[in-house]
Amino acid sequence: NAGVTQTPKFQVLKTGQSMTLQCAQDMNHNSMYWYRQDPGMGLRLIYYSASEGTTDKGEVPNGYNVSRLNKREFSLRLESAAPSQTSVYFCASSARDLNEQFFGPGTRLTVL
Amino acid sequence: KNQVEQSPQSLIILEGKNCTLQCNYTVSPFSNLRWYKQDTGRGPVSLTIMTFSENTKSNGRYTATLDADTKQSSLHITASQLSDSASYICVVSDPGGYNKLIFGAGTRLAVHP
Repeated sequence: NAGVTQTPKFQVLKTGQSMTLQCAQDMNHNSMYWYRQDPGMGLRLIYYSASEGTTDKGEVPNGYNVSRLNKREFSLRLESAAPSQTSVYFCASSARDLNEQFFGPGTRLTVL
Repeated sequence: KNQVEQSPQSLIILEGKNCTLQCNYTVSPFSNLRWYKQDTGRGPVSLTIMTFSENTKSNGRYTATLDADTKQSSLHITASQLSDSASYICVVSDPGGYNKLIFGAGTRLAVHP
């Protein structure tokens, strides 16, 4: 039981490049989330998926897109990376509303 | 604006000592409050979850308290260990969204031998 897994662990991009961050959970959770964590700030929600087939914007969605591929997988795509997107990205999942969220190990992204 | 503020930003204590971390929030209406521990380079891990009706909850050497009237919470760590070195994050449920959370910036705790 791996919990929440994320790939890659580290990534360096040049401005304008695109990439997809992958997230998978094996806990049969309905809800999944993408956050970013910047120094001196709390985690901020980018997008979330309350259930398979649905996605909604969070607090800071600009510059990102998501896909809930199936119940297990939730990907985050940067179409044209910008230096302001340099951050640590966390994926999380939860069983249902108000339940504990379980976090993955994070992806450290640097955009030059 | 719904906010969660934590103090101190950082703290250094000696192994074996106790410490208390503070959290103030302005979120309303209030549903629940959580404390997470985040080790360096890892994702946050839940320590406690408290609803508005709970005053205290323990998880081993970690004890969280909640005063919903003053909108304050604290996390008390007893007999600290080197492995307690981490960031501790206070999180409050966002009343405006489905299982959406408002995160504090965290308190970075360093336990020295």
